[in-house]
Amino acid sequence: EAGVAQSPRYKIIEKRQSVAFWCNPISGHATLYWYQQILGQGPKLLIQFQNNGVVDDSQLPKDRFSAERLKGVDSTLKIQPAKLEDSAVYLCASSLYGANTEAFFGQGTRLTVV
Amino acid sequence: KQEVTQIPAALSVPEGENLVLNCSFTDSAIYNLQWFRQDPGKGLTSLLLIQSSQREQTSGRLNASLDKSSGRSTLYIAASQPGDSATYLCAAPKAAGNKLTFGGGTRVLVKP
Repeated sequence: EAGVAQSPRYKIIEKRQSVAFWCNPISGHATLYWYQQILGQGPKLLIQFQNNGVVDDSQLPKDRFSAERLKGVDSTLKIQPAKLEDSAVYLCASSLYGANTEAFFGQGTRLTVV
Repeated sequence: KQEVTQIPAALSVPEGENLVLNCSFTDSAIYNLQWFRQDPGKGLTSLLLIQSSQREQTSGRLNASLDKSSGRSTLYIAASQPGDSATYLCAAPKAAGNKLTFGGGTRVLVKP
């Protein structure tokens, strides 16, 4: 069974530029999560999708971050414009159906904003 | 709002010693308790998932217990090895809200 795929693995951009991350969850998984993990901290949930609908985006900075999950499969997370404090690892995860089922994580995208 | 805390933040033990990692959560109405391992520069790997109706779950040298009434889970790793060095994270999703909330993690170093 293929795991959660993320790209790119690494990205370096200047502040005020825009960036996009892509995630392909495990086939058949209805729930998709995007997390932000700052060095030395636990992952912080940015947005959670159930199929193509948003379950929770309460911690997503909506003035600069956006995410979509078209057709309930792949997802993209965008930052525009980026700030220095956005430097972090962005993790995508999926689960069969909600938080009561096991979550599987991708390798993450390490973003550095200079 | 669910808050998850892991203490200690870091732990260093000699090889062969047993590891005890703690996870506490504020809202006991959880679906389950999930333990993950994270190696440097990598994503999270699921270790154990304890359903809310269970008291413990075992996999090889790993054993996780769950006490919902006190809002605690403990991960035991028997006979630690240098390869166990990693950060261990727990998550306690609430039954209402369906959100996977993580603690800050415990960074473990097993010295040969």
